[in-house]
Amino acid sequence: GENVEQHPSTLSVQEGDSAVIKCTYSDSASNYFPWYKQELGKGPQLIIDIRSNVGEKKDQRIAVTLNKTAKHFSLHITETQPEDSAVYFCAAPQGSNYQLIWGAGTKLIIKP
Amino acid sequence: DAGVIQSPRHEVTEMGQEVTLRCKPISGHNSLFWYRQTMMRGLELLIYFNNNVPIDDSGMPEDRFSAKMPNASFSTLKIQPSEPRDSAVYFCASRQGANTGELFFGEGSRLTVL
Repeated sequence: GENVEQHPSTLSVQEGDSAVIKCTYSDSASNYFPWYKQELGKGPQLIIDIRSNVGEKKDQRIAVTLNKTAKHFSLHITETQPEDSAVYFCAAPQGSNYQLIWGAGTKLIIKP
Repeated sequence: DAGVIQSPRHEVTEMGQEVTLRCKPISGHNSLFWYRQTMMRGLELLIYFNNNVPIDDSGMPEDRFSAKMPNASFSTLKIQPSEPRDSAVYFCASRQGANTGELFFGEGSRLTVL
């Protein structure tokens, strides 16, 4: 089955700097890779996703890159702001796609 | 739409008591998921419904856990009897499609079993 590893577990960056979170997956058949953001006391919320037919996708300050050969994908946040502080989860599908296998999460801290 | 609505937001109970968590998915979504989140185990899928039918309950920890979806707008997760190790945040999520697409999570039910 699918296995997803996420690094780092905690990331502290200065406001205005960039943050990068990386995930690796094991199933070469996986074709959909979402990133979710979870703020304190709330449920995870989708912020960006990518399908395996593209290598990069951008949405304002957020981007996701995918390397299918190496089986890893990364979340990039530029010009970080205090509201970016949260826990970020990557995921990859297992089997028929209804089940997502989740990374362990990265706590992103933006220092003022 | 108000999003996925869960109740209660917080529940504190004593070991051995029955706990019922409730979820109202987004109207028009035909897939519903129950997840459990803990520091040790992260996000775990407990059960998945499609069109009100349980498709995969392999994540349900044991017979003490049960889930129902009597109609498209309501689901329950019941724990009977509850144990301290059941303490966690339980999330309900819904999705429009069966096999792909964005998951919309509720705000969760934080359960503490003493």
